[in-house]
Amino acid sequence: GAVVSQHPSWVICKSGTSVKIECRSLDFQATTMFWYRQFPKQSLMLMATSNEGSKATYEQGVEKDKFLINHASLTLSTLTVTSAHPEDSSFYICSARPGGQALTEQYFGPGTRLTVT
Amino acid sequence: AQKVTQAQTEISVVEKEDVTLDCVYETRDTTYYLFWYKQPPSGELVFLIRRNSFDEQNEISGRYSWNFQKSTSSFNFTITASQVVDSAVYFCALRSRRANSKLTFGKGITLSVRP
Repeated sequence: GAVVSQHPSWVICKSGTSVKIECRSLDFQATTMFWYRQFPKQSLMLMATSNEGSKATYEQGVEKDKFLINHASLTLSTLTVTSAHPEDSSFYICSARPGGQALTEQYFGPGTRLTVT
Repeated sequence: AQKVTQAQTEISVVEKEDVTLDCVYETRDTTYYLFWYKQPPSGELVFLIRRNSFDEQNEISGRYSWNFQKSTSSFNFTITASQVVDSAVYFCALRSRRANSKLTFGKGITLSVRP
């Protein structure tokens, strides 16, 4: 099946710093990528949807200036958590949908665990 | 609006027991997909199954089986002869077949299989 990678798999950063998480589709082109956030013992919450070459669409309540999403190519999307605070500590999961196939399932990355100290 | 309800939050069984995970959904769309995902302690989501709304045939894959009942808007998942490796969080999800539709997840069920 299709593979989606995320880097890093875990990161610890100090409060006030920014951290970038990369999401890559390794063997397919993804025109649409999704970013989710998951708190312990909770479900996945969609943060934003990004389409290659255009601005991301953020879900209600998600600060677009804090969570910067860039989908510059068909295989790469990045999520930058700016001025991170301890409450941003969470498990971030990206997902990619192959281009031209809106009806297919999404492929999920392994997740990135962010800890802000 | 779409909604997925997984009423069970935690289930604990002894190895070799059968266990059924319930999923009830709500949607106004006439065509949609239903999914089950497994999330082991490592965190990575593992895709288990996708079911089209027009296909109500039950499916069996090894120890896993799924019962889709459109009349009751349910898509239940049964693990037969459970094993310790089945311990994980299981999510049921729903997505419309419309282009650019979003995946809606249930809250997940934590399954613990004891030896």
